[in-house]
Amino acid sequence: DAKTTQPPSMDCAEGRAANLPCNHSTISGNEYVYWYRQIHSQGPQYIIHGLKNNETNEMASLIITEDRKSSTLILPHATLRDTAVYYCIVYSQGGSEKLVFGKGMKLTVNP
Amino acid sequence: DADVTQTPRNRITKTGKRIMLECSQTKGHDRMYWYRQDPGLGLRLIYYSFDVKDINKGEISDGYSVSRQAQAKFSLSLESAIPNQTALYFCATSDAGIGFYGYTFGSGTRLTVV
Repeated sequence: DAKTTQPPSMDCAEGRAANLPCNHSTISGNEYVYWYRQIHSQGPQYIIHGLKNNETNEMASLIITEDRKSSTLILPHATLRDTAVYYCIVYSQGGSEKLVFGKGMKLTVNP
Repeated sequence: DADVTQTPRNRITKTGKRIMLECSQTKGHDRMYWYRQDPGLGLRLIYYSFDVKDINKGEISDGYSVSRQAQAKFSLSLESAIPNQTALYFCATSDAGIGFYGYTFGSGTRLTVV
């Protein structure tokens, strides 16, 4: 079973920031939080990951709470092309674990 | 060329037929995975391989088999296809080392069993 909980869907206006929440209350100390997205029926695409510090890259920012039980993916200026299903996954690097995908959250960016 | 290439992209086959889906990668990754996705659902792991001599079952391996022919090639076979194997199939690769930045997925194979 997926170790994360996400709302099933969210809408956002084009040009505004999209804040995508994720709960992972049972995360363990060596598990990272990963975000992927899947546009239409394409293969999932890696967005960002983090352990406990906030992270930013060219696609998004990841804010992880101090207790690490939840996180927020931020798309600073959402575009129509950001409409996708977003998956929040907890994962232990380098071990024998595999990515376990839940149902994710459908983000719809509206014009 | 894509880092992870899946063939065919689309396939329609009849119940009872054997079919092979192929995956090749140019990432140089040791780990390869096969997932299936059904409408409205997330991806479910079928089989995975951490190196050429390693094959492991995922959560839904029944009715499927795999072959890791080389570091770069990982094939998925349906021995006797049935309609509920109609789905979108994805191959993925990853590097297990430090600095791991996630899985790289192929574009998928849409399989229809009639």
